[in-house]
Amino acid sequence: SQQGEEDPQALSIQEGENATMNCSYKTSINNLQWYRQNSGRGLVHLILIRSNEREKHSGRLRVTLDTSKKSSSLLITASRAADTASYFCATDIYDKVIFGPGTSLSVIP
Amino acid sequence: GAVVSQHPSRVICKSGTSVKIECRSLDFQATTMFWYRQFPKQSLMLMATSNEGSKATYEQGVEKDKFLINHASLTLSTLTVTSAHPEDSSFYICSAPPPGQWGETQYFGPGTRLLVL
Repeated sequence: SQQGEEDPQALSIQEGENATMNCSYKTSINNLQWYRQNSGRGLVHLILIRSNEREKHSGRLRVTLDTSKKSSSLLITASRAADTASYFCATDIYDKVIFGPGTSLSVIP
Repeated sequence: GAVVSQHPSRVICKSGTSVKIECRSLDFQATTMFWYRQFPKQSLMLMATSNEGSKATYEQGVEKDKFLINHASLTLSTLTVTSAHPEDSSFYICSAPPPGQWGETQYFGPGTRLLVL
């Protein structure tokens, strides 16, 4: 099962630019997580934001959460070619982690 | 840190055969593990919840007789794709929450790529 949407589905930017990805979900959540997946590889956990938090930072990552709108955003600042990957938001519902459809990010050197 | 492993990492089989995929928690006990399937250029779809000592819970639309799950110990869950067909070709990923961290992050295995000819 999946819930919500992510936009854009695909994003292509120049190295050094910022990349913003958005995620919407449908039900109440305990927390929301963002993951990265390089092509054909496993998942890398990036950041977790709890339902009572509004913003969280980790290095070049900034995540916001708006529970009233059931949406979250992931901002990657000063992007690098190595950031090229698919990014997924995932929500924790009744102890199951449900993934959004993902955003494919391409950072052009 | 906690690590989840999967074996094999890649398997090619003939149509009609059964394939077993193992998911192990290497340095923690996992009473529950989750199995996901990911088709190319798509997201991860939760297939089932594997419960140690009891039956797995399957998501809607997932055939329990085709995808057999056995959680025989606190560190091992297996997914058996029975009578595999080409449409079962996919990337299978397991995950497990470390003890005491329910509702927090989960640890994901590196995935198993299945190709059915």
